[in-house]
Amino acid sequence: GESVGLHLPTLSVQEGDNSIINCAYSNSASDYFIWYKQESGKGPQFIIDIRSNMDKRQGQRVTVLLNKTVKHLSLQIAATQPGDSAVYFCAESGNYGGSQGNLIFGKGTKLSVKP
Amino acid sequence: NAGVTQTPKFRVLKTGQSMTLLCAQDMNHEYMYWYRQDPGMGLRLIHYSVGEGTTAKGEVPDGYNVSRLKKQNFLLGLESAAPSQTSVYFCASSPRQNTEAFFGQGTRLTVV
Repeated sequence: GESVGLHLPTLSVQEGDNSIINCAYSNSASDYFIWYKQESGKGPQFIIDIRSNMDKRQGQRVTVLLNKTVKHLSLQIAATQPGDSAVYFCAESGNYGGSQGNLIFGKGTKLSVKP
Repeated sequence: NAGVTQTPKFRVLKTGQSMTLLCAQDMNHEYMYWYRQDPGMGLRLIHYSVGEGTTAKGEVPDGYNVSRLKKQNFLLGLESAAPSQTSVYFCASSPRQNTEAFFGQGTRLTVV
């Protein structure tokens, strides 16, 4: 089956530093990728997404990088703030059997920001 | 704009009891989803719907049924609850496939 995994289950950074959260995906047919932030007791919230015809996309303080050669996705958060503390999920989708256009989620990385 | 609303937010069931979780969206989205979230497992797709009157199985459909009688509502039913169904359930909707899904706030279900 498909797998969307994360290299690190937890990440601790100092306030003001940049954070990088990594994600590996296994299906080369995936053509849509997305990052969600989930705070305790809440539903996942959209951060940023990217399609396979791009390798970089920037938002406000966040950047997503896609490396299709090694099937790797990363989320960069600039000047990390205490409010960034949460669990971050990557997800992928594509028009193939294991996805059917539906999002397949990784297990998540917990980001802790130290003041 | 309420987005995706789930009812109830919390529920405790005894083994063998039945219940229905309600999801409502006001964004006129065609696609709706039910996920469950367990510690260390991420979100796993239970069932989904690509439009009013349609449903399809996801990754972990056993023990659940769904219905989409109205475009804005997606119901998740447990006919005979088991402790293994203790989880946090999330409903989501999207305008089409391969795009952002909007999530509700979740329902925490405990089966004892």
